[in-house]
Amino acid sequence: EPEVTQTPSHQVTQMGQEVILRCVPISNHLYFYWYRQILGQKVEFLVSFYNNEISEKSEIFDDQFSVERPDGSNFTLKIRSTKLEDSAMYFCASSVTDQGEQYFGPGTRLTVT
Amino acid sequence: GQQLNQSPQSMFIQEGEDVSMNCTSSSIFNTWLWYKQDPGEGPVLLIALYKAGELTSNGRLTAQFGITRKDSFLNISASIPSDVGIYFCAGVRSGGGADGLTFGKGTHLIIQP
Repeated sequence: EPEVTQTPSHQVTQMGQEVILRCVPISNHLYFYWYRQILGQKVEFLVSFYNNEISEKSEIFDDQFSVERPDGSNFTLKIRSTKLEDSAMYFCASSVTDQGEQYFGPGTRLTVT
Repeated sequence: GQQLNQSPQSMFIQEGEDVSMNCTSSSIFNTWLWYKQDPGEGPVLLIALYKAGELTSNGRLTAQFGITRKDSFLNISASIPSDVGIYFCAGVRSGGGADGLTFGKGTHLIIQP
């Protein structure tokens, strides 16, 4: 069964450094998303992406964040200058339609020290 | 922003018991989704609901999309040990675009043997 994959599974970085989190969405899906989950809390929406551009973003997705689909399969989230409060699980998700079921990857645990 | 009120926050039950949890909102949602999350993993989609009043089953799981489009419940019948985990409701709001999911805070299900 097709699934969303994410790499790396765990990333440790120092405050102020740039990180790139990578995702491979399900191949026939057209809509892509990033979410984050701070330890013990609910999943929070960051950004959605369709047709090579951002469709919607939340208040969390400020100028430190950017997304890109550099080729036909990868979808990346870049955090330019990480802060301690960026430590969280980051989940990628994809869906066929904009109102449909979203399938999540296993997540990348980002630890900022 | 929109919020989903999910209850109960946690449930301690005996194996074999039935479980019921629900989500309510002050806003209308077009789609309701129920996910299960195990520790350190991504949310796994259990059930998707698209129409007001819709009742859908997936094995021992049954979920309903409220008539007002502002609530949903999930029932699990005859619970087994592998049902342990955190259950999240999530909604897609009305309107176009690739809307991010709004998640509830989760119901932590604990099963005592």
